[in-house]
Amino acid sequence: DAKTTQPTSMDCAEGRAANLPCNHSTISGNEYVYWYRQIHSQGPQYIIHGLKNNETNEMASLIITEDRKSSTLILPHATLRDTAVYYCIVRVASGGSNYKLTFGKGTLLTVNP
Amino acid sequence: ETGVTQTPRHLVMGMTNKKSLKCEQHLGHNAMYWYKQSAKKPLELMFVYNFKEQTENNSVPSRFSPECPNSSHLFLHLHTLQPEDSALYLCASSQGELGRNEQFFGPGTRLTVL
Repeated sequence: DAKTTQPTSMDCAEGRAANLPCNHSTISGNEYVYWYRQIHSQGPQYIIHGLKNNETNEMASLIITEDRKSSTLILPHATLRDTAVYYCIVRVASGGSNYKLTFGKGTLLTVNP
Repeated sequence: ETGVTQTPRHLVMGMTNKKSLKCEQHLGHNAMYWYKQSAKKPLELMFVYNFKEQTENNSVPSRFSPECPNSSHLFLHLHTLQPEDSALYLCASSQGELGRNEQFFGPGTRLTVL
């Protein structure tokens, strides 16, 4: 199973872009990179996912390196409400069904006024 | 609001009590999940149901008993719990093939076992 490595914490100024890195050097060819976040006292929230190409949605952009060994989640204009723990997850296989999400410790992003 | 609701939001129980956690999803999804999040560990998958059938039991002690009467409702029955079972219990749902699509999480039930 591919493991991910993220910094424990990061700070970002309100209105600036927040760039959250993730290393997943053992990712296999058919595994996706998922990003979730968890705001304090709430359940995790899906943000975005990708396989090879860069992805963008209304919440964020996901940049995956060509060798797929690392990725960066970009929040283009961070707000105070983006303060949360951000989880980078590589989908692993379990019992033949590729569905298990394994959450690590994530990165605590603090957006400062 | 994710479309997944959980009740109660907070629960305090003694080790001899029997209680149940409820989860309901209003999204028409076919799969539902129970996760445990404790202070000292990452989020842990407990059970998975797909079209009401249990597809995963991640070595969970028998004092936790899941029930899935239909694709929209999921219960977690609790009995003779231990203090170390105190945690945030999260329910999630997803649509389609397991793992293909994102999971939508409820707000969780904060459980304290005395």
